[in-house]
This record gives sequence, C-alpha cells and structure tokens, in this order.
Amino acid sequence: GESVGLHLPTLSVQEGDNSIINCAYSNSASDYFIWYKQESGKGPQFIIDIRSNMDKRQGQRVTVLLNKTVKHLSLQIAATQPGDSAVYFCAENIPNTGNQFYFGTGTSLTVIP
Amino acid sequence: DGGITQSPKYLFRKEGQNVTLSCEQNLNHDAMYWYRQDPGQGLRLIYYSQIVNDFQKGDIAEGYSVSREKKESFPLTVTSAQKNPTAFYLCASSIGRAAQPQHFGDGTRLSIL
Repeated sequence: GESVGLHLPTLSVQEGDNSIINCAYSNSASDYFIWYKQESGKGPQFIIDIRSNMDKRQGQRVTVLLNKTVKHLSLQIAATQPGDSAVYFCAENIPNTGNQFYFGTGTSLTVIP
Repeated sequence: DGGITQSPKYLFRKEGQNVTLSCEQNLNHDAMYWYRQDPGQGLRLIYYSQIVNDFQKGDIAEGYSVSREKKESFPLTVTSAQKNPTAFYLCASSIGRAAQPQHFGDGTRLSIL
C-alpha cells in the first residue's frame, strides 16, 4: 500500500525562530491533507488542512504548502513558542475510501527557550 | 464543550481477559474510528463506523471487536485473541462525508499485567 512519510524524525529550534516540518506522500490521487499536533499522552489535535486545488493555506502562525508536482507537504510555524513542542504528523485522505487516512509517523519538534 | 471522551485513560489487562475501551462523542458526527498507536509508527485503523448499527474492519481488526448501537458511542473490546495489545488507543469522529477532518479523543493506554 501507499504511505505517508516524514523527512526528519526530530527538529530542534530556538524560541522565536520559524519551524518547517516536511511530509512526502506517494498517492498522486490524494486530494485532501491534514496536519496534526500531538502532545505527550494526548490525542492528536487538528492544526490545519488543505485540499489539492490549493497550493497554500494560512492559519494563525501556521502555513501549509502543497506541492503536487513532487508530492510534498510542509507545515511552517512562525515565531515558534515553547508550547509548540510536540509531535507533528501529516495525514493523507485515501481516495475512494470515504474518509480514511494514511498517517505519517511524525516529527518531534523541540523548542529551545 | 463538544468533544470526544475516551475512558479510562489507563487500563491494565490480565492474560486471557477481554477489556472494553469507551468512546463517546457529542459532536453529532456520523462516523467514528478506532486507531492503535505504537511508538515510531503512524496510526493504524482498527475499525470504523459510518453510521449507527454498521461498522467495517480496518487494517488491523484481528483480536478486536466493536459495536455501534448509538450515534454517540463506539466502544472497542480488546479480546484475549489480541496477543500484543499493549498500545495507545485513539478514538476519532468525523462528519459523514469524505475528505473531512477527523477529531480525536485523548486516548487510552492499555498495558498487560
């Protein structure tokens, strides 16, 4: 089967810097993607989503970029704060399955004060 | 507040014992899901339900059972047939259409005594 993967398992950034977390997907027919944040011992929290008819979507301090040509997704966090420390993973909607997703393994973001 | 409630937060199972994990949502969502999360792996789908009184097996359904008698409830039973049940179990829900965010509870951590 096809899967979603992350390039970097860990990322450390200084407080106030910008963070970029990457994700590769392999199904060119996938048309909906989500980024989740998961803190230790808690469930994943929805951050932002993007559909394949868009290249970029912005939220509060977060931006998701979608490059369909190379099947790549990224999450940018502006002015990273200690509260942003968590595992971030992307999810890819599996075509023709209703609302099933492939979930990436995650990148652990550590913010250094 | 609307959300998904999983209980208990921690659960211990003895050899040969069945245990049931609770998941309740008050979001009025039609679809509900159960996932298993192991270290270093993406979420894996155990069972899902698109509508009351109907559910489907996911990728790793062996050793698990579910019921969906009410829209707001989707309990998961981990049976004695599941030989490696130690994991973090996550319940999610979404509205009934494709390509919509799944919202998660805070999980139940199951361990073997």
